[in-house]
Order: sequence, then structure tokens, then C-alpha cells
Amino acid sequence: AQSVTQPDIHITVSEGASLELRCNYSYGATPYLFWYVQSPGQGLQLLLKYFSGDTLVQGIKGFEAEFKRSQSSFNLRKPSVHWSDAAEYFCAVVVGGGSNYKLTFGKGTLLTVNP
Amino acid sequence: DAGVTQSPTHLIKTRGQQVTLRCSPKSGHDTVSWYQQALGQGPQFIFQYYEEEERQRGNFPDRFSGHQFPNYSSELNVNALLLGDSALYLCASTPFGGTEAFFGQGTRLTVV
Repeated sequence: AQSVTQPDIHITVSEGASLELRCNYSYGATPYLFWYVQSPGQGLQLLLKYFSGDTLVQGIKGFEAEFKRSQSSFNLRKPSVHWSDAAEYFCAVVVGGGSNYKLTFGKGTLLTVNP
Repeated sequence: DAGVTQSPTHLIKTRGQQVTLRCSPKSGHDTVSWYQQALGQGPQFIFQYYEEEERQRGNFPDRFSGHQFPNYSSELNVNALLLGDSALYLCASTPFGGTEAFFGQGTRLTVV
């Protein structure tokens, strides 16, 4: 079965610093990959997604992610973090479509931004 | 477009009681999935409904059941509530064959 690992439970960065959140997945083929963000007590908002093609994908709010097949990774990056980026970030993988569409999430990385 | 809407936003129940949560999918979406997110954890897939039938199920006991209506809205029912059922319950919708899920704001269930 597919799985997602987010090695960092909590990351603290200073405002204006760069950010990289790690994500590793386990699956035999190339899955669909996603990054979601969740503010406290809120639902999930999609930041970006990778299905195929260019391995560097751009998302909303200035985020990007790079798919590396050899490392089974899909790390999220942002060159300059803003205080409003403080939230929890989830990497997810999906296998199948239609009635087989099921997201498997990592445990999340909590981002704290210091002024 | 109202997006995915869930009700209620919060509720408190007593152990042993039953609860029903509701979800209206995004316009044009016909597939609804439910997820449970315990505190400090990622969402866990409960089940998925399409064409008013349960199509997939995660590792949840039979106390968790659901329903989908002809207008594609859905309900999640949990019987014989346990303290461990306290969580944020998220509904997500996709169009059939689609590859992007849209989530509602969730229902925060507290079991006391």
C-alpha cells in the first residue's frame, strides 16, 4: 500500500527566510502528488499538484515543489516565507481515479514563522 | 460557487450516542469522500460514495456508515460514539474521474 512520510514534525523559520518541507512517498509507479495547507481549525487548501511532465511545479502563494523519482520525494519550497504562511502542511498521494480516488496523507509538518 | 459545505461546524456528544454529519459537494462534483483527522495527525480516509453507493472504505469499523443522496450530498453516521472518535471530520468532493479533491471546512466532533 502507498504511504507518505513527512520527516519533520515541526519547523521554525524566520520571516523572509527560505523554506523546504520534505515529503517521501512509497509506491511502485508514479502517483499523483499533492501539497495541502491547513490553518488552525480549518479545512485543507490545495497548494499544488503533480501528475506528470515537468518535475518542478508552481503553486499558489509563491510555493513550488519538485518531484524526484529517484528519491521518491516531492519537497515543497518557498524562497521567502511570510508570517501568514504559518500553518500545517500536508503532503498527499493518490492512486487511481474515479471511484478509486483515495488520498493518503502524511502526518503533516507544522510551520512556525518568527518575526 | 459555494464550494464544499459541511454542517454542523462543531458539536459535542456523549459516549454511546449517535451522530450525523452532513456534506454538500462542490457544484458539478458527484463523488464524495470522508476523512477523519485526529489532533496532530493527517487525515485518514473513511469511505467514498459515488452513485449513492459506497465504493471504497478505509480501516474504520462498521460503526461508521454513510449515505449519498440523488443530489450528491452525503451524510456520515457514527454509532456508539467513543472518546477516540473525537476529531475533525472532513468531506471532500471530486468529479468522477477527476484528480483534484476539494475539501470543506470540516466538522469538529467532541465526544465526552
